[in-house]
Amino acid sequence: DSGVTQTPKHLITATGQRVTLRCSPRSGDLSVYWYQQSLDQGLQFLIHYYNGEERAKGNILERFSAQQFPDLHSELNLSSLELGDSALYFCASSAMGAISGNTIYFGEGSWLTVV
Amino acid sequence: KNQVEQSPQSLIILEGKNCTLQCNYTVSPFSNLRWYKQDTGRGPVSLTIMTFSENTKSNGRYTATLDADTKQSSLHITASQLSDSASYICVVSAGNAGNNRKLIWGLGTSLAVNP
Repeated sequence: DSGVTQTPKHLITATGQRVTLRCSPRSGDLSVYWYQQSLDQGLQFLIHYYNGEERAKGNILERFSAQQFPDLHSELNLSSLELGDSALYFCASSAMGAISGNTIYFGEGSWLTVV
Repeated sequence: KNQVEQSPQSLIILEGKNCTLQCNYTVSPFSNLRWYKQDTGRGPVSLTIMTFSENTKSNGRYTATLDADTKQSSLHITASQLSDSASYICVVSAGNAGNNRKLIWGLGTSLAVNP
């Protein structure tokens, strides 16, 4: 158990809909990262938040948005869903804001299926 | 262009045997190199993190090596077990200190350990 909690574990929704994925980082970690992993693909970095502020943005679509709240949990909002958005979405956390030698701990992921 | 390439793409070995996975990177400036293990449908789990000055690091039956001159790393697994069946991902941290650092993810080597 990494200590990073993601909900829901599985989600099936229709095209055009909107969903919210939730992440609670490890106790004490200030950084939250979101990644997308499509079937048989590598992890694609979406976005990084540190202590409530956006730190870095990767290949995140304009239909997607995220935020980190004062209690440090984070939400990833996916809207106008398309079939190609079906993937495993991972949240990860680390203690520091910048990527140095810190270990990044991953949650178990949220499986999103768009039908 | 920052890239991380892993080989082989997939590997099948018998239980009890050793194996070595390769990672070549073209990343500058280099900060550190990480190896992750990802079970199917699960979140990646950190195995090792190595900085420029470290050329070997072990974690149980896993031993990672780093040659910063040739920009190559390897992950050696000793006395493989069925539970070692997973994808092994090489990740290189690139950039200068602070917010400019980013993680470059390889596509992974899929290892199957058969009885």
